[in-house]
Amino acid sequence: GQSLEQPSEVTAVEGAIVQINCTYQTSGFYGLSWYQQHDGGAPTFLSYNALDGLEETGRFSSFLSRSDSYGYLLLQELQMKDSASYFCAMMDSSYKLIFGSGTRLLVRP
Amino acid sequence: GAVVSQHPSWVICKSGTSVKIECRSLDFQATTMFWYRQFPKQSLMLMATSNEGSKATYEQGVEKDKFLINHASLTLSTLTVTSAHPEDSSFYICSAGGTSGSSSYNEQFFGPGTRLTVL
Repeated sequence: GQSLEQPSEVTAVEGAIVQINCTYQTSGFYGLSWYQQHDGGAPTFLSYNALDGLEETGRFSSFLSRSDSYGYLLLQELQMKDSASYFCAMMDSSYKLIFGSGTRLLVRP
Repeated sequence: GAVVSQHPSWVICKSGTSVKIECRSLDFQATTMFWYRQFPKQSLMLMATSNEGSKATYEQGVEKDKFLINHASLTLSTLTVTSAHPEDSSFYICSAGGTSGSSSYNEQFFGPGTRLTVL
């Protein structure tokens, strides 16, 4: 079957760096995406990794290791507005997205 | 980036009624649209994949006769919750992908969601 695992909650202080890990199991894998969702809002796309390595977009970076079925999202210089839920999602051969259970990030002053 | 809209943004209805939710891609043509459901503090669960001009493909456990999906044009897909019951109360989100132009296949553009409350 297909599944993704990520921590349920992470807490960090403003200005710090936080890493949210995601491990996955699937028979067909096309890439790992990360989405941010604030309470009551829709998911917004953060990043996508199809190949091994690190992708950097401003304060956010995402890493993928296909051999380890593992990826992570790195958030630097945390701001209060980064408090949200973060979902890893894998895309299969039919371009469907299967979402992880989500990690609730709380940024404290 | 590409814009996807949903209407209505929220709806309250009585048990037993049907509710239609529209999903529109405003500035691009979406050959494929996806419908998700999200219960409070839970993840997004894919309900069905909607391809323009053909029948939707439903995920296991999703009743196709209860959740009617129509994708009649490249810019509009609709989800109708038939004979809604309180347990259908949820946040319904559509997304669009597989487009040309500014969108690449590896990104889905999400609508703002529709919050359905069934009394």
